[in-house]
Amino acid sequence: ETGVTQSPTHLIKTRGQQVTLRCSSQSGHNTVSWYQQALGQGPQFIFQYYREEENGRGNFPPRFSGLQFPNYSSELNVNALELDDSALYLCASSDGMPGRGSYEQYFGPGTRLTVT
Amino acid sequence: KQEVTQIPAALSVPEGENLVLNCSFTDSAIYNLQWFRQDPGKGLTSLLLIQSSQREQTSGRLNASLDKSSGRSTLYIAASQPGDSATYLCAVADNDMRFGAGTRLTVKP
Repeated sequence: ETGVTQSPTHLIKTRGQQVTLRCSSQSGHNTVSWYQQALGQGPQFIFQYYREEENGRGNFPPRFSGLQFPNYSSELNVNALELDDSALYLCASSDGMPGRGSYEQYFGPGTRLTVT
Repeated sequence: KQEVTQIPAALSVPEGENLVLNCSFTDSAIYNLQWFRQDPGKGLTSLLLIQSSQREQTSGRLNASLDKSSGRSTLYIAASQPGDSATYLCAVADNDMRFGAGTRLTVKP
């Protein structure tokens, strides 16, 4: 049990809609990262937030956006959903400072998003 | 750009066998390498984390090694059990975390 929780567990949306996924980090963890895992593939880095500011971004379009809040919660928002957005979305939190050495990330159970 | 490759993509072994999973990466400038287990439809469970300065880590029947200069890591599972059946992912951390596609392991009773 990592202490990282995500909601909802499963979600079904229609192409073109918008979705918000939520993550609650372990207390004291200032860094949160989001990943997209398509079926049969490894997770792909979407972006990372450190102390409420975006600190790095993977190869994802601007319709993927995020927020991090002072209470260690965060959101992943996806606009104009496409069929290829169907995936498991994982968040991971850590108490490390990005770019300042090694730190371990703790993953939540994920949200399974299906776009029809 | 960091690329992480895992071989084999799938592996099926009889119960009790010792086995090795392989992970390779292209850029040796990493902070650490982590091995995860993922059961179908579930999140990631961290198994072992090896710092860039370390050569190996052990936990129970699991042993992971790291050769940063050659860009390789191996996960050794001793005396495999049916409960070990899962997908095993390796990930390297530099400025973010890059994952391989995983090895799907099946241990047959």
